[in-house]
Amino acid sequence: DAGVIQSPRHEVTEMGQEVTLRCKPISGHNSLFWYRQTMMRGLELLIYFNNNVPIDDSGMPEDRFSAKMPNASFSTLKIQPSEPRDSAVYFCASSESRFRGSPLHFGNGTRLTVT
Amino acid sequence: AQSVAQPEDQVNVAEGNPLTVKCTYSVSGNPYLFWYVQYPNRGLQFLLKYITGDNLVKGSYGFEAEFNKSQTSFHLKKPSALVSDSALYFCAGNTNAGKSTFGDGTTLTVKP
Repeated sequence: DAGVIQSPRHEVTEMGQEVTLRCKPISGHNSLFWYRQTMMRGLELLIYFNNNVPIDDSGMPEDRFSAKMPNASFSTLKIQPSEPRDSAVYFCASSESRFRGSPLHFGNGTRLTVT
Repeated sequence: AQSVAQPEDQVNVAEGNPLTVKCTYSVSGNPYLFWYVQYPNRGLQFLLKYITGDNLVKGSYGFEAEFNKSQTSFHLKKPSALVSDSALYFCAGNTNAGKSTFGDGTTLTVKP
């Protein structure tokens, strides 16, 4: 089991540029989550998918953020245009199902720096 | 509404001593509670969970947690701390829809 794989591990970009973060969930997991972690705000849930369908995107900060899950093994989080306040560590996590008892399996994150 | 709270930002213990990291919860209905650990530059790792049954739950790396319904608490414990246990610990609760609500985290430092 390779775990949840995120790429890139680090991304440095200039304000106004488009940023795309990628995630490969654990095979067989039906739910996928995108989180953002900052010192000030802690862990924030941005969006989550079940069976590739977005279920709740109420945590997406604004229209500059979008997420897709074209198939069960791949998801992207896009920021366009990026701003310095988007600097954070972005985590992808997957779980076996929407069952309340399913724990989350996190990737190692993408550290985004927007200058 | 559902929430979990970790009242301590930081916990310091000496190696070999017992450790406790506190968590309280506020949920409607039956709580589904979790503990995760985060090491530097890594994602969160699942330690243990409480769904139903015994109030004392055992998990990875010798950790356990005690569910207390009357005190609405789910404290993480370990009988003998190791320096390698030093990390950031998160308590979380799951909603009916499978969404996780995380506490703000507690930094555990174990000193040799």
